[in-house]
Amino acid sequence: AQTVTQSQPEMSVQEAETVTLSCTYDTSENNYYLFWYKQPPSRQMILVIRQEAYKQQNATENRFSVNFQKAAKSFSLKISDSQLGDTAMYFCAFMKYTSGTYKYIFGTGTRLKVLA
Amino acid sequence: KAGVTQTPRYLIKTRGQQVTLSCSPISGHRSVSWYQQTPGQGLQFLFEYFSETQRNKGNFPGRFSGRQFSNSRSEMNVSTLELGDSALYLCASSLGGPRYSGNTIYFGEGSWLTVV
Repeated sequence: AQTVTQSQPEMSVQEAETVTLSCTYDTSENNYYLFWYKQPPSRQMILVIRQEAYKQQNATENRFSVNFQKAAKSFSLKISDSQLGDTAMYFCAFMKYTSGTYKYIFGTGTRLKVLA
Repeated sequence: KAGVTQTPRYLIKTRGQQVTLSCSPISGHRSVSWYQQTPGQGLQFLFEYFSETQRNKGNFPGRFSGRQFSNSRSEMNVSTLELGDSALYLCASSLGGPRYSGNTIYFGEGSWLTVV
């Protein structure tokens, strides 16, 4: 069975600094997607970034980028130039498509606090 | 384009009662999935519907049920409420088809259920 592990329950970073959130996963699949979702205090889960496993190039969305290491089954999120609005819970998620449907597995989350 | 809409946003119920939560997906999305989020258990998958059929189900008791209508709107029902059912219930929608790229899920703001 697939598992997703986020080993950092809480992190903090100074405004304008860079922070990296870790995520590892376990799977025997070759084709899958990985995601980072952000859940601010308002509680709405927002998609931050998505990575296709078959793509070697790391995904980037403005200040957010990932370091995808397929062999190591690692998928970390780097936030550059951190802003106060980045304060949120961040969830790593794994998705595979099988038997006519898809399945998401979420990590337990990392609470990030950006300090002024 | 409107996002995923969940109603009601907040509700308080008494033990033993039942509750129905509603979710309207993003226009054009045919898949709706439901998650329960609690501080201790993180995000737990309840079930997923596609074209009015349940495709996937998590490990929840039979008190938790759902359905999807022809317009893709979905409802979930919890009968005989228990204190432990207090949680944020998140609905997510996606295109739901056989292509990976179409299965990125987008979340609603959630329904906060408190059981007293």
